[in-house]
Amino acid sequence: QLQLQESGPGLVKPSETLSLTCTVSGGSISSSSYYWGWIRQPPGKGLEWIGSIYYSGSTYYNPSLKSRVTISVDTSKNQFSLKLSSVTAADTAVYYCARQTMITFGGVIVLGWFDPWGQGTLVTVSS
Amino acid sequence: EIVLTQSPGTLSLSPGERATLSCRASQSVSSSYLAWYQQKPGQAPRLLIYGASSRATGIPDRFSGSGSGTDFTLTISRLEPEDFAVYYCQQYGSSPVFTFGPGTKVDIK
Repeated sequence: QLQLQESGPGLVKPSETLSLTCTVSGGSISSSSYYWGWIRQPPGKGLEWIGSIYYSGSTYYNPSLKSRVTISVDTSKNQFSLKLSSVTAADTAVYYCARQTMITFGGVIVLGWFDPWGQGTLVTVSS
Repeated sequence: EIVLTQSPGTLSLSPGERATLSCRASQSVSSSYLAWYQQKPGQAPRLLIYGASSRATGIPDRFSGSGSGTDFTLTISRLEPEDFAVYYCQQYGSSPVFTFGPGTKVDIK
């Protein structure tokens, strides 16, 4: 059974860089059928997609965060990571990692739904 | 960017009743590329439906999805106590940009 687990500091100072890692167990991150994504949820609010990465290193980012986000992958450790720079209090959220299914339709590859998800980790931005 | 709107914001129902949740998109979602998730307090979202109407593995058949274009519906035929939660829709028709709706809370009347 595939499981994902987020890890990283729970407190980050304003203007610094948030760094999180997602460790995948029970399956290979190098599967050709999936991307791997980061999604966040501010306390009491809805879900926001941050970005997704393929095992080859190909990435897609939310345009609203693109200038501050870097997602990378380490296939040897079965992990992928998130870096978000210049954080402010607005970046305080529960950060989730998840597997994202790829769909091939008419020769076009489309990234789809997220399943499963990690349990999430709360990151607070505060001095 | 496709903006998703969910209604109602809160749905107050009793166990055994039928729940009908709506997700409306600001523009047509191609190929019915829409998913539904359930989230309980303190837990990660769980995939219920993908492709607008396909149930994910292990999801009970009381959950069903329908719709196309800009209007989608999640129906829970008979609410069980464990179904009281927040439900989100997500579109992937504008891949590789993905958006979620604001959620509908189903609470106990």
